[in-house]
Amino acid sequence: DAKTTQPPSMDCAEGRAANLPCNHSTISGNEYVYWYRQIHSQGPQYIIHGLKNNETNEMASLIITEDRKSSTLILPHATLRDTAVYYCIVATGTASKLTFGTGTRLQVTL
Amino acid sequence: NAGVTQTPKFQVLKTGQSMTLQCAQDMNHEYMSWYRQDPGMGLRLIHYSVGAGITDQGEVPNGYNVSRSTTEDFPLRLLSAAPSQTSVYFCASSYLRPVSGNTIYFGEGSWLTVV
Repeated sequence: DAKTTQPPSMDCAEGRAANLPCNHSTISGNEYVYWYRQIHSQGPQYIIHGLKNNETNEMASLIITEDRKSSTLILPHATLRDTAVYYCIVATGTASKLTFGTGTRLQVTL
Repeated sequence: NAGVTQTPKFQVLKTGQSMTLQCAQDMNHEYMSWYRQDPGMGLRLIHYSVGAGITDQGEVPNGYNVSRSTTEDFPLRLLSAAPSQTSVYFCASSYLRPVSGNTIYFGEGSWLTVV
């Protein structure tokens, strides 16, 4: 699976949009971009995934560049409960073996 | 719908002891796996299974054993616990659908300390 690069930490004011970047320059054609988050030391929680089109669900939006070498997870109105470590993962469609990096620690503040 | 259930949540072992971490899912998922997470690190895959009777090694399998006799259960056995196995263990499950991406569901974790 392709590797990803994420900033180690980011801050965001509550109510503002949080934009979390991810670089995955070696992604191959059959690999998806997945985003998970981990709040405190709970089990990782699925957020969203995409192949090449932008995706949106009730939690977030995923913007993938046309060359697929990078993506951005957008939390449109961040709340304190969104404080977590966010993992960007590249994997095939089965996603049977996820490779977690160290992620981005998002701190949402008042 | 309980999702992915792990037991126990906390356990302290002495070096050399053996134990089994239990994992059960009620979503009829074919795929199940075990990860470990050390402080400040991402999750690392220990073992996984794509169906009953089928298991395979992940990134860090040494010192662990698994079996999959039913679709629902995927226990992780520590054969002879070592302090290096002190970690948080997560079980995960999902369908095997290669078409449009997949969602993996994680349990809440089992905190293991080996002294």
